[in-house]
Amino acid sequence: DTAVSQTPKYLVTQMGNDKSIKCEQNLGHDTMYWYKQDSKKFLKIMFSYNNKELIINETVPNRFSPKSPDKAHLNLHINSLELGDSAVYFCASSKGGLITDTQYFGPGTRLTVL
Amino acid sequence: DQQVKQNSPSLSVQEGRISILNCDYTNSMFDYFLWYKKYPAEGPTFLISISSIKDKNEDGRFTVFLNKSAKHLSLHIVPSQPGDSAVYFCAASEAGNTPLVFGKGTRLSVIA
Repeated sequence: DTAVSQTPKYLVTQMGNDKSIKCEQNLGHDTMYWYKQDSKKFLKIMFSYNNKELIINETVPNRFSPKSPDKAHLNLHINSLELGDSAVYFCASSKGGLITDTQYFGPGTRLTVL
Repeated sequence: DQQVKQNSPSLSVQEGRISILNCDYTNSMFDYFLWYKKYPAEGPTFLISISSIKDKNEDGRFTVFLNKSAKHLSLHIVPSQPGDSAVYFCAASEAGNTPLVFGKGTRLSVIA
């Protein structure tokens, strides 16, 4: 009964490739997020979607494109992968988009770009 | 530009004692603060939060204190248990739908 799930858990790929990370939540939440935790351990918001619409888009290269086929899914596509994209990517969801709505995180996807 | 700083990367505490984790912030517009706990190979899980209109919030063994004038908050865990061993992230946000800003985390080890 996993609340927020991500696949794959680990992803190792070569520079220049295109890859996707999938996220699904079964909590019935309206808002989903993607975070990146880099080598310095900072956890930073990348995107936020509410009911399939983009509401937050932080300064992220346009090689990163989120896609929300429905409000239970928010996938992250990354084109032309670079070494600096190596990080742990976390998906999260919350009931609404207010800061007081608790965010529930997935287990993370560790991306390694060689 | 670290807006949320957790200056202690690690902390070791004896079981049964108090654990105090500290967090400083620079953005005076922050008005909502949270603590998340993270075990290895798992995502962060929400622990406790505090609004800027309060200076203390308590939930069982966990208490968060907020000192707005010092731009400082702390998480107290009493008594500490081995299961509390994890990385603790402090996070903050401005009003409305602005994103959470996280610190780098403090690794707490509770020794039995």
